[in-house]
Amino acid sequence: QSALTQPRSVSGSPGQSVTISCTGSNNDVGDYNYVSWYQQHPGKVPKLIIFDVSKRPSGVPDRFSASKSGNTASLTISGLQAEDEADYYCCSYAGSYSIVIFGGGTKLTVL
Amino acid sequence: QVRLQESGPGLVKPSETLSLTCTVSDSYISSGYYWGWIRQPPGKGLEWIGSIYFSGSAFYNGSLKSRVTISMDTSKNQFSLKLSSVTAADTAVYYCARLNGATNSYFDYWGQGTLVTVYS
Repeated sequence: QSALTQPRSVSGSPGQSVTISCTGSNNDVGDYNYVSWYQQHPGKVPKLIIFDVSKRPSGVPDRFSASKSGNTASLTISGLQAEDEADYYCCSYAGSYSIVIFGGGTKLTVL
Repeated sequence: QVRLQESGPGLVKPSETLSLTCTVSDSYISSGYYWGWIRQPPGKGLEWIGSIYFSGSAFYNGSLKSRVTISMDTSKNQFSLKLSSVTAADTAVYYCARLNGATNSYFDYWGQGTLVTVYS
């Protein structure tokens, strides 16, 4: 199992939109609609912000949206706010025996 | 609101076994969910270690499988992690979490995490 591939960093100005990609394979992202995304502020616990590719848990702003095409999942944050500055991790189901794979994480900087 | 709390030694010597326990509150671990462990080395990303179901069925990350055991004590509403033959590479914050979803593949509730340092 190899980690899903994410850009190490992305940046954007307040009010802008940014997209973070998450590339896997036919054995994980490409084969299942079970991608989740987590936001982690420095020193804090990861927080679930997207599950099942594009669903938002209660309380997560609709500025956060996500999708998937082929082996790549994407998280888009629109109307960037300073509080969005954090690390973001994607995660995918990878088949039998409930195997789960994380991406390497992307650091979002709000300029 | 499900609450999880990790506990265990913060320091472990190389070649010894790391042992952590996760105590679950406001939910029963026998309630039909999977429960899992994730770790994060300092300054690095998240790594799934393994998951367990209340039936006792456990699934592990292939890269750690030979050293990991996850077990459950329903009477105490706890599940545990044992990682044997540790090295400095096992130094990390260890999180316990609840899995949810049709394939039990996303983590909706997390513990606060506990730092385990492997030192000699």
